Amino acid sequence: DVVMTQSPLSLPVTLGQPASISCRSSQTIVYSDGNIYLSWFHQRPGQSPRRLIYRVSNRGSGVPDRFSGSGSGSDFTLEISRVEAEDVGVYYCMQGTHWPWTFGQGTKVEIE
Amino acid sequence: QVQLVESGGGLVEPGGSLRLSCVVSTSTFNANYMAWIRQAPGRGLEWLSYISGDSRATNYGDSVKGRFIISRDTAKNALYLQMNSLKDEDTAVYYCATGRQVREADYWGQGTLVIVS
Repeated sequence: DVVMTQSPLSLPVTLGQPASISCRSSQTIVYSDGNIYLSWFHQRPGQSPRRLIYRVSNRGSGVPDRFSGSGSGSDFTLEISRVEAEDVGVYYCMQGTHWPWTFGQGTKVEIE
Repeated sequence: QVQLVESGGGLVEPGGSLRLSCVVSTSTFNANYMAWIRQAPGRGLEWLSYISGDSRATNYGDSVKGRFIISRDTAKNALYLQMNSLKDEDTAVYYCATGRQVREADYWGQGTLVIVS
């Protein structure tokens, strides 16, 4: 299985400041159609995950533009330009290229 | 906005069976793949299985292969997961998901809790 490794696992952030989460795949995740199926999700306590980013850098419907995704090869990054209080929770990267599709361990974002 | 609603979770003894259901609020995704994902308490997320719109294609993760069966009824906008030979480690919140491409999990249900004990 493709292992997705996130860092850091815990991220204290300051309101209004930027934040960044890294995700590394254990092998290339380019699909046969040429796309890289790397997504980012946000999960608040007691809620189901919500997809933020798909195919590395595409924001989902209704996702604020302070969220951005980037990366290539095996290294990917989620950035929040200015953290807001509602951004707390756990963030997961996920590869949808090789079955079984796999998630990273999660990064817990908390306000300092 | 599409809604997915899971049901069927509960408490079951090891070795027992349970059938989960997921109803989608629109028939828009009847031609799309759908999937089940679970999250064990305090743990990460795990893809379990997916099924094509016409039910011809299915796939399973190793942890549930041979024990769980995915199916759907497009007339009812419904997805199912028949879980047999349940183990303690199957305790988790079970989510259904779909989207333009299910591998990108655009939409999730709220989850249903399964406790094997």
